[in-house]
Amino acid sequence: TQLLEQSPQFLSIQEGENLTVYCNSSSVFSSLQWYRQEPGEGPVLLVTVVTGGEVKKLKRLTFQFGDARKDSSLHITAAQPGDTGLYLCAGDRQGAQKLVFGQGTRLTINP
Amino acid sequence: DTAVSQTPKYLVTQMGNDKSIKCEQNLGHDTMYWYKQDSKKFLKIMFSYNNKELIINETVPNRFSPKSPDKAHLNLHINSLELGDSAVYFCASSQEWSIYNSPLHFGNGTRLTVT
Repeated sequence: TQLLEQSPQFLSIQEGENLTVYCNSSSVFSSLQWYRQEPGEGPVLLVTVVTGGEVKKLKRLTFQFGDARKDSSLHITAAQPGDTGLYLCAGDRQGAQKLVFGQGTRLTINP
Repeated sequence: DTAVSQTPKYLVTQMGNDKSIKCEQNLGHDTMYWYKQDSKKFLKIMFSYNNKELIINETVPNRFSPKSPDKAHLNLHINSLELGDSAVYFCASSQEWSIYNSPLHFGNGTRLTVT
């Protein structure tokens, strides 16, 4: 079983639509990070959330950390083809000193 | 001025061979990692080093041996390659040993194919 479960695993929508990706766990995390990975490249950090209930915005992307620090969501408004990629959440449990990754959400935005 | 660079980008080899992947970071970070990404894109940590000292060895077969000659380099040597070793291997670094609020900077990966 995965420590971090992402849903959906695959999402294909039309340009201009809104979407939400979820990252869930039964464990509590000290922090949670979201990365985006393009084909042939390594993941690149988008945001880190550290406080329960925290909301961070990055242009059209809104990230939220759950109040209990067990889950997170990524909401994209008015999706564009440039948003296409693999979105990964990753968390570190207190004292574990390592990041564990979700299995990723492969997002495709069609023009 | 690539931050985390790893070579080679592609590696095709036969079962039973020994191969190495090199990684260098110019960010001045203290901690370096090797991650393995399988065909389903799942990223799993293999090793982490902090200032040349092994911190995490995540139940990886001992055919895999990391070496950190200095804190800017972390190489991965793999003996007796098996078909199941085929994957993309990512090197990464972070500023501090504590993951808390210290994000990872990844290289662009080495795609290893064992035939």
